[in-house]
Amino acid sequence: EAGVVQSPRYKIIEKKQPVAFWCNPISGHNTLYWYRQNLGQGPELLIRYENEEAVDDSQLPKDRFSAERLKGVDSTLKIQPAELGDSAVYLCASSARNTRRNIQYFGAGTRLSVL
Amino acid sequence: AQKITQTQPGMFVQEKEAVTLDCTYDTSDQSYGLFWYKQPSSGEMIFLIYQGSYDEQNATEGRYSLNFQKARKSANLVISASQLGDSAMYFCAMREANTGNQFYFGTGTSLTVIP
Repeated sequence: EAGVVQSPRYKIIEKKQPVAFWCNPISGHNTLYWYRQNLGQGPELLIRYENEEAVDDSQLPKDRFSAERLKGVDSTLKIQPAELGDSAVYLCASSARNTRRNIQYFGAGTRLSVL
Repeated sequence: AQKITQTQPGMFVQEKEAVTLDCTYDTSDQSYGLFWYKQPSSGEMIFLIYQGSYDEQNATEGRYSLNFQKARKSANLVISASQLGDSAMYFCAMREANTGNQFYFGTGTSLTVIP
């Protein structure tokens, strides 16, 4: 079974440029998460989807960040315009609802550097 | 207040020895789940072990075991017979039933296995 796939793995952009990250979750997983992980810290949730509905986006900086999950499968996270402080690793995870353990499985992440 | 506290920024262990990574959590929920993830330098978060709040037995997965002390709100990870490949960041996480599927992560512990 394929795991969570993210692309690109690395992205270097200049500030004020737009950037987009893509995530393909594990087949059949209803719940999809986007996290941001700053250096030396744990992941922080940006947004959580249940199927195609964003059920928790309280930590998403909505002035510059946007996300979508069309058809309840793949998801895209966009930053426009990027700022220096956005440099981080962006992690996508998915989980299957209605399981006792509800384990999140993560992709390899996208490492963003804003210059 | 921090939901998950990992007080050991860095740990060293001799190869083939056992090591304990500390984790304490804060919740008023009766129903919750505790998780440990490993993050090697490649960046992917790898699920290691799960403990449910109602599980009476401590969880074990191969060389990993979770020392669950509910009254103390601690969920320490024990790695037995350490291997060089165990060198990585380790994150403790919690999911509370009343917040749906939201996860809280600690700041992580960096483990280095010495040959």
